[in-house]
Parts: sequence; C-alpha cells; structure tokens
Amino acid sequence: ILNVEQSPQSLHVQEGDSTNFTCSFPSSNFYALHWYRWETAKSPEALFVMTLNGDEKKKGRISATLNTKEGYSYLYIKGSQPEDSATYLCAFKGTYKYIFGTGTRLKVLA
Amino acid sequence: GAGVSQSPSNKVTEKGKDVELRCDPISGHTALYWYRQRLGQGLEFLIYFQGNSAPDKSGLPSDRFSAERTGESVSTLTIQRTQQEDSAVYLCASSFTPGLGTDTQYFGPGTRLTVL
Repeated sequence: ILNVEQSPQSLHVQEGDSTNFTCSFPSSNFYALHWYRWETAKSPEALFVMTLNGDEKKKGRISATLNTKEGYSYLYIKGSQPEDSATYLCAFKGTYKYIFGTGTRLKVLA
Repeated sequence: GAGVSQSPSNKVTEKGKDVELRCDPISGHTALYWYRQRLGQGLEFLIYFQGNSAPDKSGLPSDRFSAERTGESVSTLTIQRTQQEDSAVYLCASSFTPGLGTDTQYFGPGTRLTVL
C-alpha cells in the first residue's frame, strides 16, 4: 500500500517565525512530487512541482527541497505572515495515480 | 471563466437519494480529475479522464459512483443511493498535459456534500 504522510498535522506559529513541514512518500517508482496550498473556502493552489533528487524550488518566502532516494520533501516558510495560514498538501505521483497526504494545517498568529 | 468551476458549492441530501455534481474544467485542458476529502482524511483519487481515452476509474469506491465527460468539456459525477459515508468535499481538477506527473492541476472550489 502506497502511503504519503505529512507532519506535523497542524502547527501554530507566531508572525515572523520561520517554519517547515515534512512530506514522506514512497522512494520507488517516483515521477513527481507536488506541493499545494489550500486556504479555507478556496481551491487548492499549486506551489511547486518537483521531479529531480536534490531539487530546490523557491517562491517568495516559501521554498521546498526534495530527496527522492529517502522519500521526503520539506516545505519551508520564512518569516511567516497571517496570510500564510492554510493547509499545505503534498501529492506523490508514481507509476499510477496521484496520492495526496492529509496536509499540514498552518495557523500564523498575528 | 478563467478557472475550474464546480456546482453546486453545497449540497445537502437525504440518505438514499441520488446526487449529481458538475465540473467545468479550464478550456483546453485535456485531463480532468475527481477527488474527495472526507473529514480528517487526505484527498482521495476517484477518477481520471484524459481526452478521449477510457477513464481511469480505479479510485471509485463503489458501483454507486459514476462519472462522465464528453470530450474535453464538462464532467458530471453521479452518486446513487447516497450513504452518510459519502459526505465529503468533492474536488475537481484539470490540467493541460498529463505528461509524467509534472502537470500542474488546477482545482475547482469543490462541492461540499452532506448526506443526512
């Protein structure tokens, strides 16, 4: 059974703090790893698509790294802002369909 | 419209009734996905359409679930004889070129289904 796990499940940080979360996925038959940001009452929004071991992607204060050999990806947020509050989802694409994690719910306190 | 749209946004139904959920993908997107998220769980793949190919139905949880898509346009997900465990947010996503999993999926706002 293929499993994608995200940790922590939820997280509260103070405005200005930096934070990171983990996505663990199968290390075999890897095609791509996606990160999405899902705000309440909105649609999930794509952040990154990562394909190569050692990949690092950055968008503003958010960055992500990928280790396909050990099956994990980290998402980092530098200087968290209240507008960063959302659920961050990762999705593993292997040979077959996408498998999503349950997400990390981030709340940034002003 | 510019994005993926879904209707209705909310649906409350009684156990045993049939429901139909609609998804309008982004124009030109050949791939369309249906997912659902039940409370406290991750996004669960249901079905995938790619152009005129036979859909990948491997995620449909039972034969009460079915979906159709005509060409590269609107898709409908039908749930017959709804059960309380069908309560979830049903999300639709579309992408331009499915490729090898590097396509960005653009999600609709979802339909929140509540079965009483």
